[in-house]
Amino acid sequence: QQQVKQSPQSLIVQKGGISIINCAYENTAFDYFPWYQQFPGKGPALLIAIRPDVSEKKEGRFTISFNKSAKQFSLHIMDSQPGDSATYFCAASPSISSGSARQLTFGSGTQLTVLP
Amino acid sequence: SAVISQKPSRDICQRGTSLTIQCQVDSQVTMMFWYRQQPGQSLTLIATANQGSEATYESGFVIDKFPISRPNLTFSTLTVSNMSPEDSSIYLCSAGYWYEQYFGPGTRLTVT
Repeated sequence: QQQVKQSPQSLIVQKGGISIINCAYENTAFDYFPWYQQFPGKGPALLIAIRPDVSEKKEGRFTISFNKSAKQFSLHIMDSQPGDSATYFCAASPSISSGSARQLTFGSGTQLTVLP
Repeated sequence: SAVISQKPSRDICQRGTSLTIQCQVDSQVTMMFWYRQQPGQSLTLIATANQGSEATYESGFVIDKFPISRPNLTFSTLTVSNMSPEDSSIYLCSAGYWYEQYFGPGTRLTVT
C-alpha cells in the first residue's frame, strides 16, 4: 500500500536526448510527488515536485507529468546532458494540514547515464 | 529551502560499539527524519523526530537500536547502537517546510 514503484532501474541516453523515468503508486492518500537527484557521495537534492491538482509541471529542462486516475507520474529530462548523469528517485508524501513536513516514501531509483 | 549538515561525514567503527550522528538545520523545523540508504539502494525511513515528543519508528527499526534525540527545533541525533557489519550504510537526515523536504549530505558508516 505504501510502495512507490519506479522504472527503469537504469537508463542510458545520448547527449541531447530525452530521459524518461516512470513511477506508480497505490496509496491514494499520497498528495505530493517530488523527484530527487543524487550524485555519488551526496545527499538527495530536491529537483522538482508536483501536487495532484495539476497534470504537468515544468522547470527548465525538467518536466513532471502526472496522471491521477492512473496513479502514475513521470520525470522527463529534455536535452539530456552528461552532467545529468546521476541517480533519480521519485517519492510520495501524504497530505499535510500544518507546516510540518511528512515522511517520504521513495521509489527504488533510476541510474541515468548520459553519453557525451 | 533548508541547509542541513551532518557530523561525522564518515566513520569506520568496530562491531559492538555505538556511533552518534548529529544533524543540524539552519532554521527551525518541526519534523526531522532519519533515513538509511544501503549502497546503490533507495532510502528507507528509520524514524520521524518531532521536537518535544518521542520519535516514531518505522517497522523494522527499534528505539533500543536507533535511539534518537531531538532537543530543539534545529538539531537531532541518531545513535546506531551495538553495531554489526549489517549496519554499514549511509545515514541521512532530512527536514523541511510543508511539502518540501531537504537532505543532509549523509554519514557513511562502515562497521568492521
